[in-house]
Amino acid sequence: KNEVEQSPQNLTAQEGEFITINCSYSVGISALHWLQQHPGGGIVSLFMLSSGKKKHGRLIATINIQEKHSSLHITASHPRDSAVYICAVNTGNQFYFGTGTSLTVIP
Amino acid sequence: NAGVTQTPKFQVLKTGQSMTLQCAQDMNHEYMSWYRQDPGMGLRLIHYSVGAGITDQGEVPNGYNVSRSTTEDFPLRLLSAAPSQTSVYFCASSQTGGFTEAFFGQGTRLTVV
Repeated sequence: KNEVEQSPQNLTAQEGEFITINCSYSVGISALHWLQQHPGGGIVSLFMLSSGKKKHGRLIATINIQEKHSSLHITASHPRDSAVYICAVNTGNQFYFGTGTSLTVIP
Repeated sequence: NAGVTQTPKFQVLKTGQSMTLQCAQDMNHEYMSWYRQDPGMGLRLIHYSVGAGITDQGEVPNGYNVSRSTTEDFPLRLLSAAPSQTSVYFCASSQTGGFTEAFFGQGTRLTVV
């Protein structure tokens, strides 16, 4: 049983395309996080959400608490966006992670 | 301000050996945690701590010990390494366990032969 499901698992896009990654979760949460993991392995936090929508540059994250669903959008994708994007939910004292979406943006 | 410092980056162990993965943060965070990342699986919680002197088990605690004697440090001990513990390990910290941003170490790639 996976508390967090992400789709798609893999995604290839042409530079400039609009990208959407989806995340569904099955537990009550205090926050949802979108993380980015580059090929070197390091993980950085992109967004932390408990409601609504957040925007940072070309990245937009939304969450629908009633539907237990979140999306990460990348506008005008660029090859440097190539990475694994991970959805994680925080239930208070524990985090649960999706398996990640591997994004490749082709020039 | 170094954030979360995790060492070593790479380690090869023989079955039965012991070792300690180090994790330190300089942000005065109360919550620290250890995860393992295996191919095809999401990160899984091994142990976590909500403050100095307080630790608890996560999803996959068997074969690992932790202690939290200071706010800054949260080492993970493998008492008798097994090939099943071959994985990439991440340490993370946040102000609390709730609605706060998480900061991750750079990861440790551990191979047990």
